Amino acid sequence: QQQVKQSPQSLIVQKGGISIINCAYENTAFDYFPWYQQFPGKGPALLIAIRPDVSEKKEGRFTISFNKSAKQFSLHIMDSQPGDSATYFCAAGLSWDYKLSFGAGTTVTVRA
Amino acid sequence: GAVVSQHPSRVICKSGTSVKIECRSLDFQATTMFWYRQFPKKSLMLMATSNEGSKATYEQGVEKDKFLINHASLTLSTLTVTSAHPEDSSFYICSASFLGGEKLFFGSGTQLSVL
Repeated sequence: QQQVKQSPQSLIVQKGGISIINCAYENTAFDYFPWYQQFPGKGPALLIAIRPDVSEKKEGRFTISFNKSAKQFSLHIMDSQPGDSATYFCAAGLSWDYKLSFGAGTTVTVRA
Repeated sequence: GAVVSQHPSRVICKSGTSVKIECRSLDFQATTMFWYRQFPKKSLMLMATSNEGSKATYEQGVEKDKFLINHASLTLSTLTVTSAHPEDSSFYICSASFLGGEKLFFGSGTQLSVL
């Protein structure tokens, strides 16, 4: 059972544009929602994470929007740069054990 | 920030041999470590959860006798792929968390190729 659904599978954005990736989860007990960035041949790196008590969190060019009632959350990458070209994974889980369920991933390509 | 070191980064072995992958937390005591498997252009699949000093908990469908996990100390967990076969070729990643911590830290991954 896929607990976290992520879309789109891939996207292409021009330099300076906005990349938007969406995720939906099923388990209402989840209280930790991180986003990870992964480059080929490397492990995932935490970008930003949010907990359900806030609707939005911003760190630099990265913003998470969270809709608890809809069980959805999204990542916005503002002013996208070629160095942002990577695969992005959303995840969801319980903050007390960090046993995360991952989305399928979105490959972002930023064209110069 | 906290660092998780994974070694080796890449290993090639012959079919039938065993391979050990190490995952170390360098600057914190990892109460829990996770092992994942990732196929090309696919998501991370959780294989098992290991807690220091206790037996690992394996996810459904993961063969515990093939993928041996040892979490002998608060800074080291190992994954041994026993009697490796070509279908075991994959990217293996570990992650670690600590009690009271607010993040999960990932290793850099190990690319296993079984010939």
